[in-house]
Amino acid sequence: GENVEQHPSTLSVQEGDSAVIKCTYSDSASNYFPWYKQELGKGPQLIIDIRSNVGEKKDQRIAVTLNKTAKHFSLHITETQPEDSAVYFCAARSHYGQNFVFGPGTRLSVLP
Amino acid sequence: DTEVTQTPKHLVMGMTNKKSLKCEQHMGHRAMYWYKQKAKKPPELMFVYSYEKLSINESVPSRFSPECPNSSLLNLHLHALQPEDSALYLCASSRGKGTVQETQYFGPGTRLLVL
Repeated sequence: GENVEQHPSTLSVQEGDSAVIKCTYSDSASNYFPWYKQELGKGPQLIIDIRSNVGEKKDQRIAVTLNKTAKHFSLHITETQPEDSAVYFCAARSHYGQNFVFGPGTRLSVLP
Repeated sequence: DTEVTQTPKHLVMGMTNKKSLKCEQHMGHRAMYWYKQKAKKPPELMFVYSYEKLSINESVPSRFSPECPNSSLLNLHLHALQPEDSALYLCASSRGKGTVQETQYFGPGTRLLVL
């Protein structure tokens, strides 16, 4: 089955700096990779996703890159703001599966 | 509108109580999910309903009983829970049209405390 690793587990950056979170997956058949942001006391919210036929996707300050050969994908947040502070989860889904396998999460703190 | 609603927001129950969690979506999605999330951990899948039929049960104890009365509603009936069942219970939905690259949209969750 699929296994997703995520690094780092915690990340602190100064406001305005960039943040990068990396995930690796094990199942080469996985073809959909969403990123979720979870604020304290709330459910996960989708912030960006990427499909296996695309190498990079950008939405304002957020971008995701995918390297299928190396089986890893990364979340990039530029010009970080205090409201970006949250736990971020990556996930992967196999072509053969209906469900996601989540990474363990990264707690991002943006210091003012 | 990508909203999934869940009630109640908080629930405290004793180990002999029976309670239910409710989830609703009006996005026309045909797949709905229950997840359990412990503190500082990712969500863990419990059940999946696809077109109102239970398609996946991730070996969840029988004290958790899901129900999908119609395509917009999903319930989770709770009975004789244990303190270790205390967690955030999340509902999610997706289009369920058979495409594997489907986005799941999560509700805010019900925070359950079992005493």
